[in-house]
Amino acid sequence: GAVVSQHPSRVICKSGTSVKIECRSLDFQATTMFWYRQFPKQSLMLMATSNEGSKATYEQGVEKDKFLINHASLTLSTLTVTSAHPEDSSFYICSAGPPGNTEAFFGQGTRLTVV
Amino acid sequence: AQKVTQAQTEISVVEKEDVTLDCVYETRDTTYYLFWYKQPPSGELVFLIRRNSFDEQNEISGRYSWNFQKSTSSFNFTITASQVVDSAVYFCALSERRGTYKYIFGTGTRLKVLA
Repeated sequence: GAVVSQHPSRVICKSGTSVKIECRSLDFQATTMFWYRQFPKQSLMLMATSNEGSKATYEQGVEKDKFLINHASLTLSTLTVTSAHPEDSSFYICSAGPPGNTEAFFGQGTRLTVV
Repeated sequence: AQKVTQAQTEISVVEKEDVTLDCVYETRDTTYYLFWYKQPPSGELVFLIRRNSFDEQNEISGRYSWNFQKSTSSFNFTITASQVVDSAVYFCALSERRGTYKYIFGTGTRLKVLA
């Protein structure tokens, strides 16, 4: 079945540095991918829609300059957390689906800890 | 606006008890999809079921069953004879139209099954 792979699964970084998270669709092409954030013991909140070849669409309240999204190919979207701070520590998860499918496939998630 | 409500934040049951997780949704769309996902401590989302708005037939899969009622905008999930391995956070989610992978998640219900 269709698989979405996310890397890394876990990352610890120092405050002020940037971190890049990759989301790949392994056996299908995805013109859109979605990025969610989940704080501890909370729900998954959609951050942005990654659009291949064009700018990402951010949800209200999400800082586009802080969370840079690049969707340069039909199988790869990247989320870069710039100048990370401890409050950015969270679980980030991406999703995508083949055209016309009925459900999305989720990556394994990335647990980001900013120290 | 779309919204998913899971009123039960946390439920604890003793092994072999039956448990029902509630999900109430709001949408103006006539066509939509409802989902249930399981999130174990590792964080990945495990797909359990998809139901489209035109199919109100209840479904049973092993110890799991789902009751979809459009009249009450509910999509409840029952685990029969619960087991310790069922302990996880369960999310109900909503999306509009086939091929649209943008999900609205409920706040989740943490299920603890005690031995």
